[in-house]
Amino acid sequence: AQSVSQHNHHVILSEAASLELGCNYSYGGTVNLFWYVQYPGQHLQLLLKYFSGDPLVKGIKGFEAEFIKSKFSFNLRKPSVQWSDTAEYFCAVNPRLVDMLTFGGGTRLMVKP
Amino acid sequence: GAGVSQTPSNKVTEKGKYVELRCDPISGHTALYWYRQSLGQGPEFLIYFQGTGAADDSGLPNDRFFAVRPEGSVSTLKIQRTERGDSAVYLCASSGDRGYGYTFGSGTRLTVV
Repeated sequence: AQSVSQHNHHVILSEAASLELGCNYSYGGTVNLFWYVQYPGQHLQLLLKYFSGDPLVKGIKGFEAEFIKSKFSFNLRKPSVQWSDTAEYFCAVNPRLVDMLTFGGGTRLMVKP
Repeated sequence: GAGVSQTPSNKVTEKGKYVELRCDPISGHTALYWYRQSLGQGPEFLIYFQGTGAADDSGLPNDRFFAVRPEGSVSTLKIQRTERGDSAVYLCASSGDRGYGYTFGSGTRLTVV
């Protein structure tokens, strides 16, 4: 069975700092990759997704993620964070044509104004 | 509806009682998923429906958990003889495209006392 690891459980940044959240998965075949965000008091929302093609994926709110197949990684980045980016971020994976997602444990990001 | 609706939003029940959690997916979405999110963890897969049938129930922790989707739309997750360890947020999601990410509801926070 596949697994997803998010190594940073808590991250604290000041506004305008750059962000990179790590995500590694274990599965040898072709996968779909996702980042979800959960703002305080809100439901999980899709931030971005990768299926195929350009490994650098751009999502909403200035976020992007890069799929590095050789490293089984799909790290999330943002050049300059804002206070409103305070949230919990989840990486998720599903093998191609398998329907359920496997989630990482999440990274709680706090951005100080 | 416009999104995935889950009711109730909060449920407190006594140990040993039976509970039902409801999910109303996005209209026309054939796939419906139940996940469970414990404090400090990512969502864990419970069961997946394609239409009326359970396509994969491998995530249900034991036979106290059961889910139905009799008409291929609304789904109910049923938990018998609740235990304190069942306390978590139960998330429902639906999808119209296989393997391409879902839309989540706001969840039901279940507390067993």
